[in-house]
Amino acid sequence: GAVVSQHPSWVICKSGTSVKIECRSLDFQATTMFWYRQFPKQSLMLMATSNEGSKATYEQGVEKDKFLINHASLTLSTLTVTSAHPEDSSFYICSARAEGQGGMDTQYFGPGTRLTVL
Amino acid sequence: QKEVEQNSGPLSVPEGAIASLNCTYSDRGSQSFFWYRQYSGKSPELIMFIYSNGDKEDGRFTAQLNKASQYVSLLIRDSQPSDSATYLCAAAWGAGGFKTIFGAGTRLFVKA
Repeated sequence: GAVVSQHPSWVICKSGTSVKIECRSLDFQATTMFWYRQFPKQSLMLMATSNEGSKATYEQGVEKDKFLINHASLTLSTLTVTSAHPEDSSFYICSARAEGQGGMDTQYFGPGTRLTVL
Repeated sequence: QKEVEQNSGPLSVPEGAIASLNCTYSDRGSQSFFWYRQYSGKSPELIMFIYSNGDKEDGRFTAQLNKASQYVSLLIRDSQPSDSATYLCAAAWGAGGFKTIFGAGTRLFVKA
């Protein structure tokens, strides 16, 4: 299957600082990437859809000024958590859309980034 | 509101048994369906996808799709303790406006 990487795999930061997470599709081009957040023992929550060369589409309740998304190339999307606070501590997972035959596409997930805000 | 429903479990099966995981979806326009496995503290890993009615087999895994009943299932034969994880069902639609909805997941325990 297609490979998606994320960096860093974990990060600890002080409250008020910003953290950037990178998501890369390694062996395919992804016009669309997705950013999810998952709290312990809860299901995936879609935060935003990132389209190459255009603005991200945010889900209801997700602050676009706090979670900045940039999808500058077909293989890289970044999520920046600005002015992070302890409640932003979570597992952030990206996925990339791989185009399939007949328009049947598949999402492949990155390994996730565990963010802890002190 | 498009939804994907799964029994949260936990589903407990003995080693070597068949584990049956079920999922229903609300949108008849859904075109493709996926099963992901997620170990605790890890991100989801794609196991199988299915587009057409019927069964699709891959090793110990069989995905079943019934579009008339809006029902998707995953069978795991010869279950192993290493299969213990949360299994996420997902439904997707729209090539241009590709959108995927995930179920909340079913926790599976395979007892040695």
